[in-house]
Amino acid sequence: GAVVSQHPSRVICKSGTSVKIECRSLDFQATTMFWYRQFPKQSLMLMATSNEGSKATYEQGVEKDKFLINHASLTLSTLTVTSAHPEDSSFYICSARGGPVGGPQHFGDGTRLSIL
Amino acid sequence: QKEVEQDPGPLSVPEGAIVSLNCTYSNSAFQYFMWYRQYSRKGPELLMYTYSSGNKEDGRFTAQVDKSSKYISLFIRDSQPSDSATYLCAIISGGGADGLTFGKGTHLIIQP
Repeated sequence: GAVVSQHPSRVICKSGTSVKIECRSLDFQATTMFWYRQFPKQSLMLMATSNEGSKATYEQGVEKDKFLINHASLTLSTLTVTSAHPEDSSFYICSARGGPVGGPQHFGDGTRLSIL
Repeated sequence: QKEVEQDPGPLSVPEGAIVSLNCTYSNSAFQYFMWYRQYSRKGPELLMYTYSSGNKEDGRFTAQVDKSSKYISLFIRDSQPSDSATYLCAIISGGGADGLTFGKGTHLIIQP
C-alpha cells in the first residue's frame, strides 16, 4: 500500500521550455502533497506544500511564479517548471500524506530534470 | 549549524553485522522522526516512523529517539547485502507545518 507514482522519470529539454511533472497517489487519497528538490551531494530540500483545492505554500527562496503547483484532486499534484534554465537542473521528487499532519509521507521515484 | 546532521559515509560492514546509523538535530521543536531507505534511482521508502523518545522495533530494524540529546538512531540486525542503500533520517517540527527536514543520507554497503 501507499504507492506514489511520479512521471516522467527523466526530462532533457532546452532552456526556456516549461516542464510539467505529475505526482499521483495510486492507492490512497493524499490530503497533502509535498515537492522536494535535491542538488548533487545535498539533502532533499522542501520546496512547497500543497493541499487539495488550496494554493500551495512555498518555502522561503522558492519562486512561486517559477514553480507552479496544482493540486486539483486528492490523488494528483503537478509541478510545472516555467521557462526552465540550466540552474533549474536538479532532481525533483514528490511525496504524499494521506493521514493527519505530522504523519508519514510516501515518495515517488523522482524526476531528473536537465536543462540544456 | 545545519538542522539535521548525518554522516554521509560510505559505511561498509560485513554481512550479518549489526549496523548503527545516526543523526543529530538542533531544533528542540522537532516532534516526528522517520527513517527512509533509498535505492539507486528510486524514491525514499519509509522504514520507521516514531514521535516519542525510546525504541521502536520492526523486524530487523530498531529506531531509537533521544529527545534530550537530540539524537536519533537506526539499528539493523543481521544485515544482508540487500540492505545496501542510502539511509535518510527525516524530521518534522510539527505545529501544522509538516514538510520533512532531511539529513544528507548515509550510504551503507553490506559486504557478502
